[in-house]
Amino acid sequence: SQTIHQWPATLVQPVGSPLSLECTVEGTSNPNLYWYRQAAGRGLQLLFYSVGIGQISSEVPQNLSASRPQDRQFILSSKKLLLSDSGFYLCAWSVESGVGQPQHFGDGTRLSIL
Amino acid sequence: SQQGEEDPQALSIQEGENATMNCSYKTSINNLQWYRQNSGRGLVHLILIRSNEREKHSGRLRVTLDTSKKSSSLLITASRAADTASYFCATDGGGFKTIFGAGTRLFVKA
Repeated sequence: SQTIHQWPATLVQPVGSPLSLECTVEGTSNPNLYWYRQAAGRGLQLLFYSVGIGQISSEVPQNLSASRPQDRQFILSSKKLLLSDSGFYLCAWSVESGVGQPQHFGDGTRLSIL
Repeated sequence: SQQGEEDPQALSIQEGENATMNCSYKTSINNLQWYRQNSGRGLVHLILIRSNEREKHSGRLRVTLDTSKKSSSLLITASRAADTASYFCATDGGGFKTIFGAGTRLFVKA
């Protein structure tokens, strides 16, 4: 069966520090991968998605970036964090084909910027 | 932009009652999905209904879709305290994207 792992679960970082959040998927090949951010009590904001290795689409211009160095690995990064980067970050995957496929989520990373 | 908007924003019911949540969207869709999120966790996919379907069931869940009104509803029958969570509708946003609404927070009192 397929599983998705996201870490760390919580992270407290000072303003201006770098960031690296990692997400890996097991049990499937060539998945579509997604990074979302969720503000408290709100819906999900799509940040990045990827349909293949090295292919990244950015939805929101900001100081975050994403990379997909391997088929089932998706990394969210920042060189310098801002206070506004605080939030709950979720990684998700879906099968590669079709429109509007169900997405499967990790348990998220709670990021607090001080 | 195309987006599902849930109504109500919050709902509090007694255990055993039915819970109904509504979702409206703006443009044509291929399908609509409902997800559940427990506090502090990731979302879990509940059910997908295609644009040519009007109703779908899964256990205690019943989803309806009215494409003429651009709306959907999620009914949870005989609710349990364990159903306490946030529920989101999501529509296909073009290509491989899915657009999520802001969610309905359901609280089921034991």
